[in-house]
Amino acid sequence: QSVLTQPPSVSAAPGQKVTISCSGSSSNIGTGSVSWYQQLPGTAPKVLIYDNNKRPSGIPDRFSGSKSGTSGTLGISGLQTGDEADYYCGTWDSSLSAVTFGGGTKLTVL
Amino acid sequence: EVQLVESGGGLVQPGGSLRLSCVASGFTFSNYDMHWVRQATGKSLDWVSGIGTADDTYYSGSVKGRFTISRENAKSSLFLQMNSLRAGDTAVYYCVRDGGLGSFDSWGQGIRVTVSS
Repeated sequence: QSVLTQPPSVSAAPGQKVTISCSGSSSNIGTGSVSWYQQLPGTAPKVLIYDNNKRPSGIPDRFSGSKSGTSGTLGISGLQTGDEADYYCGTWDSSLSAVTFGGGTKLTVL
Repeated sequence: EVQLVESGGGLVQPGGSLRLSCVASGFTFSNYDMHWVRQATGKSLDWVSGIGTADDTYYSGSVKGRFTISRENAKSSLFLQMNSLRAGDTAVYYCVRDGGLGSFDSWGQGIRVTVSS
């Protein structure tokens, strides 16, 4: 049971926009920052967003992040079939003194 | 180019031990915190342990007392000594660089550990 709650799946058509939520608490997202990772089938995860809304170099601006209170949100616009992957949020939990990840969200581009 | 290459995985019986290694290249290893993250088949990511640049160590509750993380900066290497292994430790283990501000910015290809009799 993950400390961070994500929807198991989301779907949208190519070209559309989708958002993925990550719900936490005051001991994690509420007092820290959220990162987002993309895991394509059979590959290692890759960071898309860190510190709530920052994109590493090479990550297109179709990917965006935000945080409000104890929740974070990943937005993906201009959806492409190549965006089909599992997406995970992550942060530090001060109560657990541990890094924690969400349960993951499978994105399907219809 | 940043590269992280894990080794040392395999099949081990319950109660046994394994030592994972990760060799880093393409960056100054001693300047970065490092982590191990695992993923069981079909499951989410599960943070295992982290080590800071000052050799401060951190563990998840599920492995504390059984696993030991260490580093050897002269060889740009990260290690995970895993003792008293259980079936629940079966997973792909990733070596991960901490880029700061909560960013796990580089991941190895992963190494499979299977605990089974």
